[in-house]
Amino acid sequence: DGGITQSPKYLFRKEGQNVTLSCEQNLNHDAMYWYRQDPGQGLRLIYYSQIVNDFQKGDIAEGYSVSREKKESFPLTVTSAQKNPTAFYLCASRLAGETQYFGPGTRLTVL
Amino acid sequence: AQSVTQLGSHVSVSEGALVLLRCNYSSSVPPYLFWYVQYPNQGLQLLLKYTTGATLVKGINGFEAEFKKSETSFHLTKPSAHMSDAAEYFCAVSDGRRSYIPTFGRGTSLIVHP
Repeated sequence: DGGITQSPKYLFRKEGQNVTLSCEQNLNHDAMYWYRQDPGQGLRLIYYSQIVNDFQKGDIAEGYSVSREKKESFPLTVTSAQKNPTAFYLCASRLAGETQYFGPGTRLTVL
Repeated sequence: AQSVTQLGSHVSVSEGALVLLRCNYSSSVPPYLFWYVQYPNQGLQLLLKYTTGATLVKGINGFEAEFKKSETSFHLTKPSAHMSDAAEYFCAVSDGRRSYIPTFGRGTSLIVHP
């Protein structure tokens, strides 16, 4: 089955730690996205990538980093510089001009 | 610039009643419009979308939406609510000039009472 997978589903981080969230897609989509979701705030764009080895900051990129070394993979690192990282993180992918498809999400909690 | 406003963070209906979730948008070019549904602790699933053509769009699970350019609206409706419709619903707009970056509304939580 084609789709988007995110791992882990739940992640706990201690203060000062960097953590990496995985996102993989086998839909052969060119564009990939990371969103952060907080209650009552909808989805906010962190980073997006239209092609391999290229990515752009979204609206709330501070404290996050990404890489796009392969078309099917777009990992997100939440660094210690992100002061309030507890949230639900969603990865999405898209074929040019078409609909976004979303992964199941990763819930990150800071202990 | 594009934006989306979803009126009402929570909408409560009785089972069997009409569902109406409101979405207004702004876009400087003809928009692409989307409705997504999200169940607790899950990703977003596309309900329906409007790109061009017929302004009344039918989606999954009996939902439909009508694109009204004069009102800049794309309200989501379903004639008869079911308990399984209880979820968070998001409206999104994609500007043709930056069509790879949709803008999402803040979401509306649909509550269905027995």
